Amino acid sequence: GENVEQHPSTLSVQEGDSAVIKCTYSDSASNYFPWYKQELGKGPQLIIDIRSNVGEKKDQRIAVTLNKTAKHFSLHITETQPEDSAVYFCAARKGNTGFQKLVFGTGTRLLVSP
Amino acid sequence: KAGVTQTPRYLIKTRGQQVTLSCSPISGHRSVSWYQQTPGQGLQFLFEYFSETQRNKGNFPGRFSGRQFSNSRSEMNVSTLELGDSALYLCASSQGQGHTEAFFGQGTRLTVV
Repeated sequence: GENVEQHPSTLSVQEGDSAVIKCTYSDSASNYFPWYKQELGKGPQLIIDIRSNVGEKKDQRIAVTLNKTAKHFSLHITETQPEDSAVYFCAARKGNTGFQKLVFGTGTRLLVSP
Repeated sequence: KAGVTQTPRYLIKTRGQQVTLSCSPISGHRSVSWYQQTPGQGLQFLFEYFSETQRNKGNFPGRFSGRQFSNSRSEMNVSTLELGDSALYLCASSQGQGHTEAFFGQGTRLTVV
C-alpha cells in the first residue's frame, strides 16, 4: 500500500528564517497532496494542498512543490513567526472519485524561536 | 459556517467496555472519514462513509465499526476496548464527490484504563 515518509522529524528555526519540510510517497497513482498543521490540543488544520497536475502552489508565506518523477513534495514556509510553531503533516491520496483515504507522514515538529 | 464537531472531547473507559464517538460534518458535506492518532503509529485511516455507505476501510480489527446517518452525521464504535485503543480519534469532513479537501474536527481523546 501507499507509504509516505516525512523529514525532518523536528526542525528548529529562528523567527524570520525559512523552513522546509520534505515528503516522499511510494504510490505513483497518488494525485492529491495536502499539508496539515496541528497545534497542541487541536485537530489537524488544512493549510495548503496540491494536485498532481500542478508543480507548485503558493499562498502568502506558504508554498508547496511537487516532483512527480521523484515522488517528492515539499512544504516551504518563509519569514517564519512564533505562531508557525506546531506539528506539520504531509499526506497523499489516490483516486479521482473523492474517496478520502489519506495516508499521512509521521509529522514534523517545527519550533520557531523569537 | 460551523466546522466539524466531535463529541465528546474526552472519554475514559475501562478495558472490555465499548464506546461510541460522534461526528457532525460541515453542513453540506456528505463524506465523513475517521482516523486514529497515536504517538507510536501516527495518523491512521479507519474508514470512510459517504451517503450512509462505507466505501473505504483501513486495517483495523472488526471491533472498530461505524455508521452514517441520513443527515451525514457519523458515529464510530469500538467494542471490547483494549489499552492500546487509547488515542485521539479524529473525524474529517469533505464534500465527497470529486472534491478533495478534508477538514478535521478537534478529536475525541479516548483513554482506556
